[in-house]
Amino acid sequence: AQKITQTQPGMFVQEKEAVTLDCTYDTSDPSYGLFWYKQPSSGEMIFLIYQGSYDQQNATEGRYSLNFQKARKSANLVISASQLGDSAMYFCAMRGQAGNQFYFGTGTSLTVIP
Amino acid sequence: EPEVTQTPSHQVTQMGQEVILRCVPISNHLYFYWYRQILGQKVEFLVSFYNNEISEKSEIFDDQFSVERPDGSNFTLKIRSTKLEDSAMYFCASRNPGQGGGEQYFGPGTRLTVT
Repeated sequence: AQKITQTQPGMFVQEKEAVTLDCTYDTSDPSYGLFWYKQPSSGEMIFLIYQGSYDQQNATEGRYSLNFQKARKSANLVISASQLGDSAMYFCAMRGQAGNQFYFGTGTSLTVIP
Repeated sequence: EPEVTQTPSHQVTQMGQEVILRCVPISNHLYFYWYRQILGQKVEFLVSFYNNEISEKSEIFDDQFSVERPDGSNFTLKIRSTKLEDSAMYFCASRNPGQGGGEQYFGPGTRLTVT
């Protein structure tokens, strides 16, 4: 069975600072994908970044980077130079080898302080 | 940029009534999904759909739920006899297996309120 754990229910960061949102996962699949989504207060789910289990390098997308530590089964999201618009819920998700459903964590609420 | 659309944005219904939630996935995507998110909780998988049939479903997706792709663009979730506990945000998602990491693109959601 797949499991995603996000242990930080809420995080605060000063504007322009970097913040790391934690995500650990558990799977027995040899191949899997890890994703981060942003959910603003308006409710939509916005895809941010993807990391494949066989990718050698950590994924980056603009101000988002994924700190992937396979041996530790962690896939932390790093947001650099935080902006007020980054305030939202952030969900870590995993797709197993079968590739159908996504398994989501419970989310982290990020608040950026001016 | 193509996006997943969902209608209605908010649906209020009485317990026991049937509701149909509608989605238009991204046009070249082949896999379609429904998820739900009860207020303040995590997103939960309901069902995946590929090649005009259900490919996987969760324990939540019991006999009161059904999905359909009635034409080449729409993808619907029907709840036959709604219960109070069906109140949630329902998200449709789609993906193209040949694109990126197979990320799923979500619609804006339909907020279902059962009274």
